[in-house]
Amino acid sequence: ELHLVESGGGLVQPGGSLRLSCAASGFTFSTFWMSWVRQAPGKGLEWVANIRQDGSDKYYVGSVKGRFTISRDNAKNSLYLQMNSLRAEDTAVYYCARVAYGSDIHTDVWGQGTTVTVSS
Amino acid sequence: QPVLTQSSSASASLGSSVKLTCTLSSGHSTHIIAWHQQQPGKAPRYLMKFERSGSYNKGSGVPDRFSGSRYGADRYLTISNLQSEDEADYYCETWDSNTQVFGGGTKLTVL
Repeated sequence: ELHLVESGGGLVQPGGSLRLSCAASGFTFSTFWMSWVRQAPGKGLEWVANIRQDGSDKYYVGSVKGRFTISRDNAKNSLYLQMNSLRAEDTAVYYCARVAYGSDIHTDVWGQGTTVTVSS
Repeated sequence: QPVLTQSSSASASLGSSVKLTCTLSSGHSTHIIAWHQQQPGKAPRYLMKFERSGSYNKGSGVPDRFSGSRYGADRYLTISNLQSEDEADYYCETWDSNTQVFGGGTKLTVL
């Protein structure tokens, strides 16, 4: 069975850092693009970043460029999101997601999410 | 970059049918879209994607009550024989130049 399990969320002060992890199982992790999507309290889904299978290409939403870094370790079937210079507006549930990349690219598997709260 | 427009809310009675709409912005009417369901307090769940051929392909375990259709720039998610567990937020998603775009979501209330 396909599983994505996020961890690493928590309470952090503005300007602080946090590293999220996502452990994948049930599929060949190294053959899929992966992404991070977040959801602020009471709001909709917002794409944050994604990464190619081998980690050679990475893309970010404008509001996190220069502050967040997406990475992966295919040997450990794991996806990461390093978040620096955190702001109150980064407060959200962060979801790890698998991307079916091809002619019909779309998200097809979601994790359960991890909550990040940025507050003093 | 494409914009996906969804109505903020919809409602329908238990046992009836409802059709949710996701509209692609001008110049992006042939983009692939996917539908996701998010029940209250839960993570999103993938429902289906529209293929370039115009047909749709559902995710594993998605009930037959869920179906898709399209007309021009509009992509529809139809839920038949509404159940209480269908009360949820529904999001459409598309991709462009390796970036991901979500619609604002439709909150479906089952009366």
